[in-house]
Amino acid sequence: KAGVTQTPRYLIKTRGQQVTLSCSPISGHRSVSWYQQTPGQGLQFLFEYFSETQRNKGNFPGRFSGRQFSNSRSEMNVSTLELGDSALYLCASSPFGEDGELFFGEGSRLTVL
Amino acid sequence: AQSVTQLDSQVPVFEEAPVELRCNYSSSVSVYLFWYVQYPNQGLQLLLKYLSGSTLVESINGFEAEFNKSQTSFHLRKPSVHISDTAEYFCAVSSGGSNYKLTFGKGTLLTVNP
Repeated sequence: KAGVTQTPRYLIKTRGQQVTLSCSPISGHRSVSWYQQTPGQGLQFLFEYFSETQRNKGNFPGRFSGRQFSNSRSEMNVSTLELGDSALYLCASSPFGEDGELFFGEGSRLTVL
Repeated sequence: AQSVTQLDSQVPVFEEAPVELRCNYSSSVSVYLFWYVQYPNQGLQLLLKYLSGSTLVESINGFEAEFNKSQTSFHLRKPSVHISDTAEYFCAVSSGGSNYKLTFGKGTLLTVNP
């Protein structure tokens, strides 16, 4: 069974630009979560989607958004990039997302210059 | 609100020595507890979990953790570590049910030296 796939793995953007990150969950998993990992703040929850509906959202500004498609694939978008958005963005999937056992991808490393 | 405190940011040990990585949590409701491991340039992998039942849980590679409700702790232990155990370890808590998110600790970098 293929794992969680995130694309792109690495990307460099400049301040003010926007970025879209993609996540393909494990086949059959309907819950997709996104986390931001930085050295200073650690792992922080961004949002979670289940069957195309956002069920929970973390404390991030509205520049951070996401969506989930009918095939459970998910994208997250960050608009008007700031230097502080440089981070590893991790996507995780689970069958239903109710017990917290998540399967993580390798992440998309975003550098904002 | 939930929170997780990992008391040590770095733990250096020698190969074949025992190790304990400490984790305390704060929550007003029943919780599920997890340890995840992250190897360099990789995502997180579930190491072990406590959902209910026996308070002592074990992983397939020799780690174990014990849920202590009175002390709100979920410390991770291994009696004899290997070089390959070098990684960052994250403790996490979830309320499950309608709370579809994990709250992570800051992580503990375990470095196993020869």
